Amino acid sequence: ELKVEQNPLFLSMQEGKNYTIYCNYSTTSDRLYWYRQDPGKSLESLFVLLSNGAVKQEGRLMASLDTKARLSTLHITAAVHDLSATYFCAVMDSNYQLIWGAGTKLIIKP
Amino acid sequence: EAQVTQNPRYLITVTGKKLTVTCSQNMNHEYMSWYRQDPGLGLRQIYYSMNVEVTDKGDVPEGYKVSRKEKRNFPLILESPSPNQTSLYFCASSSADRFYGYTFGSGTRLTVV
Repeated sequence: ELKVEQNPLFLSMQEGKNYTIYCNYSTTSDRLYWYRQDPGKSLESLFVLLSNGAVKQEGRLMASLDTKARLSTLHITAAVHDLSATYFCAVMDSNYQLIWGAGTKLIIKP
Repeated sequence: EAQVTQNPRYLITVTGKKLTVTCSQNMNHEYMSWYRQDPGLGLRQIYYSMNVEVTDKGDVPEGYKVSRKEKRNFPLILESPSPNQTSLYFCASSSADRFYGYTFGSGTRLTVV
């Protein structure tokens, strides 16, 4: 059974700093997704990572996938307040179901 | 605009009064799914559907029903709601191969008193 673990679950950081959120998963998969959720809102797709070594960047966010290590990272560069949200990773299992991490609540202080 | 539409956005109801939350997508997606989200428990799948007339239980199906009579619609039915079904509900859809992941609806905040 595929399990997905995110860490940290909570992160408070200052504007301008860099940080990384980690997403580990337990069995083989070559598809991983990152989503963002603002409080009380829906989930918004950020990145789709479809192969080993995939790297995607959008603004101050960069996501990468290492299928051999079963690890994806979401790197935040020079954080700004607008990036405060909860970030979820999800991994596709062998039945084409998305298995979700618990989410990382990110608070960026001015 | 490609989207998943859920209604209503907010609903307060009483215990035992049957209700339906509607979900419709305009992307011709084969796959649709319902989730509930509760503080500290993350996203939990209730039911999903691989295509018309094909539905299956997720992780927390008790107390819920679904149907998939048309490709675009996937309503969630609570026959006899109870307070432990108070939650934020999301409908999601995807192509059959989930290539781009899921598109989520705006959510329905349900309170059962």
